[in-house]
Amino acid sequence: EAQVTQNPRYLITVTGKKLTVTCSQNMNHEYMSWYRQDPGLGLRQIYYSMNVEVTDKGDVPEGYKVSRKEKRNFPLILESPSPNQTSLYFCASRAGQETQYFGPGTRLLVL
Amino acid sequence: EDQVTQSPEALRLQEGESSSLNCSYTVSGLRGLFWYRQDPGKGPEFLFTLYSAGEEKEKERLKATLTKKESFLHITAPKPEDSATYLCAVPNSGGSNYKLTFGKGTLLTVNP
Repeated sequence: EAQVTQNPRYLITVTGKKLTVTCSQNMNHEYMSWYRQDPGLGLRQIYYSMNVEVTDKGDVPEGYKVSRKEKRNFPLILESPSPNQTSLYFCASRAGQETQYFGPGTRLLVL
Repeated sequence: EDQVTQSPEALRLQEGESSSLNCSYTVSGLRGLFWYRQDPGKGPEFLFTLYSAGEEKEKERLKATLTKKESFLHITAPKPEDSATYLCAVPNSGGSNYKLTFGKGTLLTVNP
């Protein structure tokens, strides 16, 4: 089954404590992306990757890091989380212009 | 600046009452427009991609159309299970085709 998985699904943390949200896809897609979704602001792109070792900033990259060392994985790293990073995060992947698949989401609360 | 505006923000229909959702965009050199459906607490689910003005695509009770400035998602005889938030998105102009701008969505509620 084609899928994008994210872990953890829910996370409560405190300000400044580094965390990583993992994302993995089993479709051999070149393109992967991270979004955050906030009430009233919609889905906003954080970072995207066109292939292994190729990443670029989306609209809201501040406070986030990514890496793409393997084609299937695209982790999102928050080096020093702050309360304004409390949000619902989605990872997505697609091949070229084909259908984009989204993961189930990670709900993050930063205290 | 690229913008995607969806209207209405929320729409409540009775089962069987057809209607349309709107997605207007201001990007130069449109390279596709995507429609997604999102259920509460879940990731968006792909519905359609439209590439050129005049193009139409259908899936069950949904039909998406595209003009040079906007797209419509027509819902014919909706059922309660069509209740969801519908999102549209376009690739940003002047840059990578992988950078997308999403609208804020239309929350559709279909009452039985």
